[in-house]
Amino acid sequence: KAGVTQTPRYLIKTRGQQVTLSCSPISGHRSVSWYQQTPGQGLQFLFEYFSETQRNKGNFPGRFSGRQFSNSRSEMNVSTLELGDSALYLCASSFADNEKLFFGSGTQLSVL
Amino acid sequence: QKEVEQNSGPLSVPEGAIASLNCTYSDRGSQSFFWYRQYSGKSPELIMFIYSNGDKEDGRFTAQLNKASQYVSLLIRDSQPSDSATYLCASLGGSYIPTFGRGTSLIVHP
Repeated sequence: KAGVTQTPRYLIKTRGQQVTLSCSPISGHRSVSWYQQTPGQGLQFLFEYFSETQRNKGNFPGRFSGRQFSNSRSEMNVSTLELGDSALYLCASSFADNEKLFFGSGTQLSVL
Repeated sequence: QKEVEQNSGPLSVPEGAIASLNCTYSDRGSQSFFWYRQYSGKSPELIMFIYSNGDKEDGRFTAQLNKASQYVSLLIRDSQPSDSATYLCASLGGSYIPTFGRGTSLIVHP
């Protein structure tokens, strides 16, 4: 069974640019959630999508957005990048309700 | 604000010993608890979950939950150098938004 696939693995951007990250969940998983991981703040919940609808949202500014397609694949977008957005962005899929998360390998974003 | 607290460590144990990792949570509405292992440069991997008070064993791992004390622990028996990693504790309540601790670094030395 294929795992969660995230692309790209690394990204380098400059302040003010925008970025789109992609995530393909495990087959049969309808829930996709996104997390930001930094050494200072740990793993923080961004948002969760289920059946193409955003079901939950964490405490992040509106520059962070996402969507989910009918095949459960999800994208996350960050606009007007700031230096503080440099982090590892992880996507996770679950069968339902954010139980038992399966994480992708992450996208390491560096904002210069 | 919902919080999960963990000692950042590092916790250093000799090979073959029992490693004990602990976390406390603030949200009394939390119903499910998870332990994830994260190797350096890798993504978290689910290793244990527990829903009810008491102990749950899976191989060398035992998860313990005490809802009255809002306390979750993970015991690793016969620790191996390959267990060296950061262990993340997570809680999940009625909102279905997971809250993660910052993790405890475990070092198992030969």
